[in-house]
Amino acid sequence: EVQLVESGGDLVQPGGSLRLSCAASGFSFSDYWMTWVRQAPGKRLEWVANIKQDGSEKYYVDSVKGRFSISRDNARNSVYLQMSSLRAEDTALYYCARSARQTNRDNFDYWGQGTLVTVSA
Amino acid sequence: DIVMTQSPDSLAVSLGERATINCKSSRSVLYSANNKDYLAWYQQKPGQSPRLLIYWASTRESGVPDRFSGSGSGTDFTLTISSLQAEDVAVYYCQQYYTTPPTFGQGTNVEIK
Repeated sequence: EVQLVESGGDLVQPGGSLRLSCAASGFSFSDYWMTWVRQAPGKRLEWVANIKQDGSEKYYVDSVKGRFSISRDNARNSVYLQMSSLRAEDTALYYCARSARQTNRDNFDYWGQGTLVTVSA
Repeated sequence: DIVMTQSPDSLAVSLGERATINCKSSRSVLYSANNKDYLAWYQQKPGQSPRLLIYWASTRESGVPDRFSGSGSGTDFTLTISSLQAEDVAVYYCQQYYTTPPTFGQGTNVEIK
């Protein structure tokens, strides 16, 4: 059974940093692009970043470029999102998701339960 | 970025009746090289993560009931629930994956009338 379990969400002050983790199981992790998607309260889903199977390609939504960094550890079946210079508008539930067909241009066939990031003084 | 716009924002349908949700993209998501529309639909029930229902605009994901169907091409797409069940109460999102960043519609809230 495919499982994605996020952790690391917390309440953080504006300008602060946080590292999210996503532990994957039930599939060959190193064969798939992995993605972070967020959902602010009452808002639509927003793709944040993704990373290629070997970590050689990474892409980000414009609003987080230079502040967030995605990485992965295939030995640990995990993907991470390092977030810095956090802003109130980064407040959201952050989901880890798997790309369905092992490509960059893809939909997402498995999602975790999400981890909540709240940026507030 | 491609902007995805859904209509309506909210929909109330009687049990057993048809529900229709529309999704329009600001640019075509049809890739001519393979003649595929890079369009997916998701269902998100209250307190749950999104669930993939449809991809390539009309291909049902494994395990999705056949009352869910997708149609359309280019810039205009439709998700149809042929006979609404109580468990279908959810927010439905369309998503384009033709370009990076992939983008989602604003969601359509489906309720029971």
